[in-house]
Amino acid sequence: GAGVSQSPRYKVTKRGQDVALRCDPISGHVSLYWYRQALGQGPEFLTYFNYEAQQDKSGLPNDRFSAERPEGSISTLTIQRTEQRDSAMYRCASSAGTGGYEQYFGPGTRLTVT
Amino acid sequence: GESVGLHLPTLSVQEGDNSIINCAYSNSASDYFIWYKQESGKGPQFIIDIRSNMDKRQGQRVTVLLNKTVKHLSLQIAATQPGDSAVYFCAETYNTDKLIFGTGTRLQVFP
Repeated sequence: GAGVSQSPRYKVTKRGQDVALRCDPISGHVSLYWYRQALGQGPEFLTYFNYEAQQDKSGLPNDRFSAERPEGSISTLTIQRTEQRDSAMYRCASSAGTGGYEQYFGPGTRLTVT
Repeated sequence: GESVGLHLPTLSVQEGDNSIINCAYSNSASDYFIWYKQESGKGPQFIIDIRSNMDKRQGQRVTVLLNKTVKHLSLQIAATQPGDSAVYFCAETYNTDKLIFGTGTRLQVFP
């Protein structure tokens, strides 16, 4: 595609529900990254993949958060038993390779947990 | 759209002037640095990058300077235009693709 796409753009859910956020990277991009961005702050790293392999998940806040990229393209970030503190903008980025390649960011999914 | 940087440091410049945005990075071992521009309601957009073996890199109207001695990065924008108004973030990384973003700076350009 022309750029990184994410869906849904907005998600409102009730506390305790599970949510799945989708990222569709730029076609052919090897690496895919998930970040979380609070208002007024820079993106905070969550996890990233090279192809289908999850390389680093050190930024995931706790075990309610998980991510997968089973075929090395589309990725899903899942949050189980959502809590109000999970409310944030979740951003996905992709890059053509590793080791200093430009990361292209998607428009994000705004998650609100009520 | 979503507002980015509600309470960020702000730099106000007049159209046509040069802008300098500064960033202090945290890890002396970081070897790759990037500047991103983020407009309201949009994701961060790559501007320019620099590796730790360089002190200066120039792009179109933008220059990045790296001072490893004091762990300082700056972004210079020449002939600032209204379209440059946004929040600017520096990011660093060390031997990995995990970007660590700094505190942003809001750039406001007045006609």
